[in-house]
Amino acid sequence: DIQMTQSPSSLSASVGDRVTITCRASQTISTFLNWYQQKPGKAPKLLIYAAFHLQSGVPPRFSGSGSGTDFTLTISSLQPEDFATYFCQQSYSIPSTFGQGTKVEIK
Amino acid sequence: QVQLQESGPGLVKPSETLSLTCTVSGGSVNSGSYYWSWIRQSPGKGLEWIGYIDYSGIPNYNPSLRSRVTISVDTSKNQFFLRLNSVTAADTAVYYCARDDFGGRGDAFDIWGQGTMVTVSS
Repeated sequence: DIQMTQSPSSLSASVGDRVTITCRASQTISTFLNWYQQKPGKAPKLLIYAAFHLQSGVPPRFSGSGSGTDFTLTISSLQPEDFATYFCQQSYSIPSTFGQGTKVEIK
Repeated sequence: QVQLQESGPGLVKPSETLSLTCTVSGGSVNSGSYYWSWIRQSPGKGLEWIGYIDYSGIPNYNPSLRSRVTISVDTSKNQFFLRLNSVTAADTAVYYCARDDFGGRGDAFDIWGQGTMVTVSS
């Protein structure tokens, strides 16, 4: 299985901050990398697919980049509704696997 | 818009079979552009993909669960199903059904059900 490692596991930030979360795959996955946001008690929500494509309805302050093994999710200006946990997921090979999550908390 | 809803028992005894249903509304499981997936989430193991089925009934499973899992579909009812045999406490999790958009989004899970908590306990 391809292992997905996110960093950091958690971070504290203020409204308006630029936030960057990284995800590393244990082997190359081209751009088969997706990002999700999850709030407590809710299902994950797709933010970015295929590394850098913004899902319909997702604000443009979210962006994704990377290819191969190293990927980044950036929130350009953190908003109150963005405090949540973020997961990456590789869809390059079966079984699809997820990162362990990055919790974004209010500073 | 397309919505997914899980249903099934919230409590299952050890060694018995966990059975869940996902009902699709606002769209059809007969679409050739999607796979219909089950994913679970537990504090210990995080998010884990269980498997999917396509509209023709062909499944694909996570090798770690393959010996115990069956996913099936009923296109007449617009539903798909999960059966997990011989459950233990390690199978306690929130179970989600999700749509896998392999046709347009490179196998991203673009629509999720709300999730259902299943506890394995006697």
